[in-house]
Amino acid sequence: ETGVTQSPTHLIKTRGQQVTLRCSSQSGHNTVSWYQQALGQGPQFIFQYYREEENGRGNFPPRFSGLQFPNYSSELNVNALELDDSALYLCASSFYIRGQGEQYFGPGTRLTVT
Amino acid sequence: QQQVKQSPQSLIVQKGGISIINCAYENTAFDYFPWYQQFPGKGPALLIAIRPDVSEKKEGRFTISFNKSAKQFSLHIMDSQPGDSATYFCAASIDYGQNFVFGPGTRLSVLP
Repeated sequence: ETGVTQSPTHLIKTRGQQVTLRCSSQSGHNTVSWYQQALGQGPQFIFQYYREEENGRGNFPPRFSGLQFPNYSSELNVNALELDDSALYLCASSFYIRGQGEQYFGPGTRLTVT
Repeated sequence: QQQVKQSPQSLIVQKGGISIINCAYENTAFDYFPWYQQFPGKGPALLIAIRPDVSEKKEGRFTISFNKSAKQFSLHIMDSQPGDSATYFCAASIDYGQNFVFGPGTRLSVLP
């Protein structure tokens, strides 16, 4: 186990609703990244937070937003949910210093949008 | 140019055999190439990683071979075991360990 925890484990939402997913980083880590993994595909990078600020973003629309808190836990918020948002959402934490820091993944939150 | 291609999509190997998974990339700015193992219901777990300044890295039964000129790298699993049955992802990043680009994955089944 990596020490990265995510909640909830599973979630079912209706199209158009909003959802908040949570991640608790591994102790000592200062960076968190979020990924979307559609069924049968590799994870896709959504964004990264470093010291509570967004530090890189993938090809995802603004309705995907995030927060990182002083204790380095994090939230992923998705507004106006679409059916294609159904996926496993993974967070990964790392201790990022001078361009280095291996990422450790949590178990993910399975989001189903109906 | 951000894509990482991976093959095969699925692989069946007998216990004790060698499993080989290949990946290719286009972006020469990539400087870190990890392999992840993912079991159903779990997040990806780092298996082994390599930087482009070496051509091979071995950790136990797992070996990465890296060909910088061909922009290809591969994972070799020696003495494959049923417990190795999982989905394997190659990945690449520009800024070591950050913002990975993942391949589409290879589902490995090791038969007892």
